[in-house]
Amino acid sequence: GEDVEQSLFLSVREGDSSVINCTYTDSSSTYLYWYKQEPGAGLQLLTYIFSNMDMKQDQRLTVLLNKKDKHLSLRIADTQTGDSAIYFCAGHGSSNTGKLIFGQGTTLQVKP
Amino acid sequence: GAGVSQTPSNKVTEKGKYVELRCDPISGHTALYWYRQSLGQGPEFLIYFQGTGAADDSGLPNDRFFAVRPEGSVSTLKIQRTERGDSAMYLCASSLTGQGFNEQFFGPGTRLTVL
Repeated sequence: GEDVEQSLFLSVREGDSSVINCTYTDSSSTYLYWYKQEPGAGLQLLTYIFSNMDMKQDQRLTVLLNKKDKHLSLRIADTQTGDSAIYFCAGHGSSNTGKLIFGQGTTLQVKP
Repeated sequence: GAGVSQTPSNKVTEKGKYVELRCDPISGHTALYWYRQSLGQGPEFLIYFQGTGAADDSGLPNDRFFAVRPEGSVSTLKIQRTERGDSAMYLCASSLTGQGFNEQFFGPGTRLTVL
């Protein structure tokens, strides 16, 4: 089955860029997603990328997809303290039911 | 508009007891998903409903877990003979459809603690 791996922790200073990385084993997912989870709040979709794209930019967020290496990354420009949260990458794998397979999450700590 | 809601927000029970967790999806969303999230892990898929039927229940860990969605809206996750290992955050999500680009909207979760 699908396996999604993420680094567990990233610490940056406010104003720096953050890069969160994700690798996956099953390349059949049509879409790949980044979700954000803040304490006491539900998971929130941040952005997504269609599998035939290499890059997608959405304001401070840039998603890069390297299909050959099965590597997905999320870059947050000008990181703010409000960006502190857990970030999950997710894909559908080979499923056609829409279920999501999540990585274990990367905790982003932003220091003032 | 109202998002996905889940009740209760917290549930503490004793080993061996039966529990029910409720999910109210966004109105009009035909797809509904249940996930389980253990501490320090990502959400793990349990079951997916398209309308009233369970289209994929491959994530249910064993036959103590069961879920229903009788009218295609509210769903209930039922756990019989609870075990300490069932302690986790149970998340519900809904989406407009279950196919193609599929933004899943998550509820705040029910934290289940089995003593």
